[in-house]
Amino acid sequence: QQQVKQSPQSLIVQKGGISIINCAYENTAFDYFPWYQQFPGKGPALLIAIRPDVSEKKEGRFTISFNKSAKQFSLHIMDSQPGDSATYFCAVPDMRFGAGTRLTVKP
Amino acid sequence: NAGVTQTPKFQVLKTGQSMTLQCAQDMNHEYMSWYRQDPGMGLRLIHYSVGAGITDQGEVPNGYNVSRSTTEDFPLRLLSAAPSQTSVYFCASSYSKGVDSPLHFGNGTRLTVT
Repeated sequence: QQQVKQSPQSLIVQKGGISIINCAYENTAFDYFPWYQQFPGKGPALLIAIRPDVSEKKEGRFTISFNKSAKQFSLHIMDSQPGDSATYFCAVPDMRFGAGTRLTVKP
Repeated sequence: NAGVTQTPKFQVLKTGQSMTLQCAQDMNHEYMSWYRQDPGMGLRLIHYSVGAGITDQGEVPNGYNVSRSTTEDFPLRLLSAAPSQTSVYFCASSYSKGVDSPLHFGNGTRLTVT
């Protein structure tokens, strides 16, 4: 069963643009929604996470938006930089991951 | 502080061979897990452990065995390698399973089965 549906699979953004990645989940009991960032040849690392008692969390250029009624959460990267080029995964508390989004930021 | 260490980094096996992927963490984490990463499939959970002596199956456990005799180590055994097991394998650990307990990943083992 697919617990987490992530889109898009790949994303190309110009430097300075906004990158948006979406995830939809099924289990309404989930109470923690992290995003992980993975660079080539490395393991994923926690980027930012949100709990469902807030609708938005911002850390620098990275923002998570959470819509509990729609069972969706999104990652927004403002002022995208070439150094943000990586694969991004959303996850849910039972350690299931989305399929990943390969982000390329063109200079 | 090494974090999560996986060995080897690369491995090539012939069909039918067996091998063990090693994983060690030095953060005193109770929860450890194994994932495989395939293109377009994300990270799929193979097996996990919530503490020494306790293991359980994840989404794709067939063809793999695990054991957890110590808090630090969580090896993954391939019993009889098949080409379908060609993948990148990641070990992860966390303080607990769930809320506000992020996973810490190793840098992976790239396995090719011919």
